[in-house]
Amino acid sequence: AQKITQTQPGMFVQEKEAVTLDCTYDTSDPSYGLFWYKQPSSGEMIFLIYQGSYDQQNATEGRYSLNFQKARKSANLVISASQLGDSAMYFCAMTQGGKLIFGQGTELSVKP
Amino acid sequence: GAVVSQHPSRVICKSGTSVKIECRSLDFQATTMFWYRQFPKKSLMLMATSNEGSKATYEQGVEKDKFLINHASLTLSTLTVTSAHPEDSSFYICSAWGLEAGEQYFGPGTRLTVT
Repeated sequence: AQKITQTQPGMFVQEKEAVTLDCTYDTSDPSYGLFWYKQPSSGEMIFLIYQGSYDQQNATEGRYSLNFQKARKSANLVISASQLGDSAMYFCAMTQGGKLIFGQGTELSVKP
Repeated sequence: GAVVSQHPSRVICKSGTSVKIECRSLDFQATTMFWYRQFPKKSLMLMATSNEGSKATYEQGVEKDKFLINHASLTLSTLTVTSAHPEDSSFYICSAWGLEAGEQYFGPGTRLTVT
């Protein structure tokens, strides 16, 4: 069965610094997709970045980049130049037969 | 990106009553909609998958008679929590997928409180 794991329940980062949020996954499917979502206190799920299993290059979207290490089955999210508005829950997710399965989440707090 | 709405955003109901939550895709046809449940500071747990015009597929452990899902049109799915109890209090989020959208889009969520 597919599984996705986020081992950091909470993280702190100083404003303007970079932070890495960890995500590991387990699947036997050769084709899969990995997502990162941000969930602020309002509850909405905000799509951040996507990486396909066959993508050769790491995905980047503005200040977000995904450090995709296929052999290690990890898909860490890197946020550069953290802003106060980045404080939120962050979820890693993987596609499984059209469904999304989510990791446990990491609560990021950005300190001024 | 595509837009998915949910209504209501917040609802308080009394124990024993039923409450209906609507999920609408506003600018694309959603052949598949998903319903998730989320407890505070916890992950999203998939409850069921519904395809337009057919019965929903429920995840293991989810009571289909308690959480009634209807996906009667390509733009609307409803989740009805029947005979609600305080333990049903949670944040319910839907997402929608269609070919023209290309990926899942999430609704803003509905916070249900059962008193």
